[in-house]
Amino acid sequence: DTGVSQDPRHKITKRGQNVTFRCDPISEHNRLYWYRQTLGQGPEFLTYFQNEAQLEKSRLLSDRFSAERPKGSFSTLEIQRTEQGDSAMYLCASSLVLAGSYEQYFGPGTRLTVT
Amino acid sequence: QQQVKQSPQSLIVQKGGISIINCAYENTAFDYFPWYQQFPGKGPALLIAIRPDVSEKKEGRFTISFNKSAKQFSLHIMDSQPGDSATYFCAASLGNQFYFGTGTSLTVIP
Repeated sequence: DTGVSQDPRHKITKRGQNVTFRCDPISEHNRLYWYRQTLGQGPEFLTYFQNEAQLEKSRLLSDRFSAERPKGSFSTLEIQRTEQGDSAMYLCASSLVLAGSYEQYFGPGTRLTVT
Repeated sequence: QQQVKQSPQSLIVQKGGISIINCAYENTAFDYFPWYQQFPGKGPALLIAIRPDVSEKKEGRFTISFNKSAKQFSLHIMDSQPGDSATYFCAASLGNQFYFGTGTSLTVIP
């Protein structure tokens, strides 16, 4: 499978615990994005990387959230001290920056449930 | 503030009918308008997209109509099939920031 992959697909955690999600983008893609999607809503932008540099962060990304893309390939999203309001689907997308190209390709998502 | 407004929230169409989903946006700087299809438990999949310099784009049974002056765009699914039953999201982008609509749940009944 050469698409975007995410791991784990599902995560149940207790409030206050830390969780980490992984995203593997399409191999030649240099941009990687994280989104959050709650039930009945469209995805909301959290942050994006170009290669290993984190270039933009949404105000939705509180101090408890941190994302990395250490070698410009896979990325991790960590949530510290999880809260029930963090329950959502966390989506990763990737794209290849070319002149006039904007397509983002999404992974299957990690569904987080905070109890 | 919702950057992209999508309607209807849900839609039921008979097999073979035409499904129409509408979106409106405010920011005239948006320069890319994709539609995504999402099945339960899956991530959104890019369906079709259009740039503001084109008024219509067709790919198979899917057509985007774009009205720049009205700041509206719509997705038409011709000959709708039960397999098209999914949630559809419109989006508008400004550079790397994608703003998604709230989604339309489409049900195609046989």
